[in-house]
Amino acid sequence: KNQVEQSPQSLIILEGKNCTLQCNYTVSPFSNLRWYKQDTGRGPVSLTIMTFSENTKSNGRYTATLDADTKQSSLHITASQLSDSASYICVVSAKAGSFGNEKLTFGTGTRLTIIP
Amino acid sequence: DTEVTQTPKHLVMGMTNKKSLKCEQHMGHRAMYWYKQKAKKPPELMFVYSYEKLSINESVPSRFSPECPNSSLLNLHLHALQPEDSALYLCASSQVFQITSASLGYEQYFGPGTRLTVT
Repeated sequence: KNQVEQSPQSLIILEGKNCTLQCNYTVSPFSNLRWYKQDTGRGPVSLTIMTFSENTKSNGRYTATLDADTKQSSLHITASQLSDSASYICVVSAKAGSFGNEKLTFGTGTRLTIIP
Repeated sequence: DTEVTQTPKHLVMGMTNKKSLKCEQHMGHRAMYWYKQKAKKPPELMFVYSYEKLSINESVPSRFSPECPNSSLLNLHLHALQPEDSALYLCASSQVFQITSASLGYEQYFGPGTRLTVT
């Protein structure tokens, strides 16, 4: 069964500090891994998308890593800002069925709170 | 333009009402999705339309009826809902739904959602 587990479930850090969120997955056959940021009551916004051949990808203060061998990914946030307070969702994509449809498995998310 | 729009933003309806949620994108995407999201849970896929045809129905009750009138629009018709159907309904779109050797998946763009409350 395809699963995506994220840790920690929630995290509180001071403004300006760095943090790292973790994602472990058991999804097969793996196609890509995405990190989304979701503000409360809003739709998710994409931060990065990585295929198995990519180890690191950055988007401003966000840096995602992927280890396809150990099936782990991390999202590192540098110099956190109050606006980074949100849920961060790890989503893993697999190819499913004879038509090659894409199936996404969502993690349960990490709720990040930045305090001044 | 990388925007997916959804209307209305909020909707309160009784269990006997009929209402519709609307979603629109002008990115030329040929795959559109409906998700349901409960508080503190990840989005759950409900329907996928690929080239205006229903490709995936994740065993959604018939009180939810999707419609894709053209490649830019996606509707979700609601009828005789239950209070447990109260949730954030998210629409998303992507270039296509299939994974090929040329592409290992396309980005999904989400709309802001419709907050639905069933009383």
